[in-house]
Amino acid sequence: QVQLVQSGAEVKKPGASVKVSCKASGYTFTRYYIHWVRQAPGQGLEWMGIINPSGGSTTDAQKFQGRVTFTRDTSTSTVYMELRSLRSEDTAVYYCAREGGSSSWYPYWGQGTLVTVSS
Amino acid sequence: EIVLTQSPGTLSLSPGERATLSCRASQTISSSYLAWYQQRPGQAPRLLIYGASSRATGIPDRFSGSGSGTDFTLTISRLEPEDFALYHCQQYGNPPPTFGQGTKVEIK
Repeated sequence: QVQLVQSGAEVKKPGASVKVSCKASGYTFTRYYIHWVRQAPGQGLEWMGIINPSGGSTTDAQKFQGRVTFTRDTSTSTVYMELRSLRSEDTAVYYCAREGGSSSWYPYWGQGTLVTVSS
Repeated sequence: EIVLTQSPGTLSLSPGERATLSCRASQTISSSYLAWYQQRPGQAPRLLIYGASSRATGIPDRFSGSGSGTDFTLTISRLEPEDFALYHCQQYGNPPPTFGQGTKVEIK
């Protein structure tokens, strides 16, 4: 069965960086794009960007350009999201999500990683 | 980018009642590329509907989606206790993908 398992919760100070991992299993890793979505406390879902695990190409939301990087390691079927220059507004649960087919709807989600930014 | 507006913000109903959730887009969503998700507290979202009206694998038939263009609806025909949750709509026809702000279905 398809599984996405994310790394554990993080607490960071403003200005620091965080790197969240998402390990995929149960399917051919390079066949499906993976997206990153975040949810601030009490808020809705916010799309952050996408990575093609096959070639490694990425697209990120305009809001995060320059602050976020998506990478992947095909040897371990893992994708990573690094967010830099953290501020309090980045406190959120970060999810990875796999596409269902060739469109950006998400039948598979990681369990979420809480990132808390606090001085 | 397309802005999705969900209404109402909160829906207070009793088990067994019918729930009707709305999602309105700021512009036409191409090919009815609209999805619905359910999210229970402390859990990741769960896909219910994609392509505006196709139920995802394992989703009970009391959940149905309809609509096209800019107006979409999620209907839960008879609310079960486990259906009281937060519901999100998402469009994926026009990059970037965007989500609505959510509708909470609570027990009356």
